[in-house]
Amino acid sequence: NAGVMQNPRHLVRRRGQEARLRCSPMKGHSHVYWYRQLPEEGLKFMVYLQKENIIDESGMPKERFSAEFPKEGPSILRIQQVVRGDSAAYFCASSPVQGNTDTQYFGPGTRLTVL
Amino acid sequence: AQRVTQPEKLLSVFKGAPVELKCNYSYSGSPELFWYVQYSRQRLQLLLRHISRESIKGFTADLNKGETSFHLKKPFAQEEDSAMYYCALRPGTYKYIFGTGTRLKVLA
Repeated sequence: NAGVMQNPRHLVRRRGQEARLRCSPMKGHSHVYWYRQLPEEGLKFMVYLQKENIIDESGMPKERFSAEFPKEGPSILRIQQVVRGDSAAYFCASSPVQGNTDTQYFGPGTRLTVL
Repeated sequence: AQRVTQPEKLLSVFKGAPVELKCNYSYSGSPELFWYVQYSRQRLQLLLRHISRESIKGFTADLNKGETSFHLKKPFAQEEDSAMYYCALRPGTYKYIFGTGTRLKVLA
């Protein structure tokens, strides 16, 4: 089992461009979580998805950010019109069942730099 | 408010010395607490969770509800323990609340 995969590992965007971050959960896992780590801070929960459903997006900024986990393919975190403050490491985690009874396994992260 | 505090950004110890990484939490209910570790150029991985009460790689952590602490300890540090350590609280749901992390450097 290759573990949670994220790509790209590094992404550079100019202000106003769009950023798309992908996360492939571990095989057999149907629950995906996104976290953001701003410089000098801990990881902060953004959104929890199951296949084709957003369960909890309480940690997502209200504008420009969206997430999906389609029936086929990876989960996508999309940031429109990026600003310098979006520069951060974005981590994805997955679990086979809802994560309050099981461990979440983390991907290597995508480091987004906005110029 | 639910919060995890790791007061030390950096902790340097000599090889063979004892290690204690501090973690304090703020949560009114029954907490579930974890330590995650991130070695250089590797992903975040679970080190231990308080409900397991196990020792992994020589590390232990005891939940002290009176002091609201979950400090990570190891009696004799090894160079391969050098890494970033994150304490995390899971307050009864799927969301983790992470501390800011402590970088442990074990010096030869």
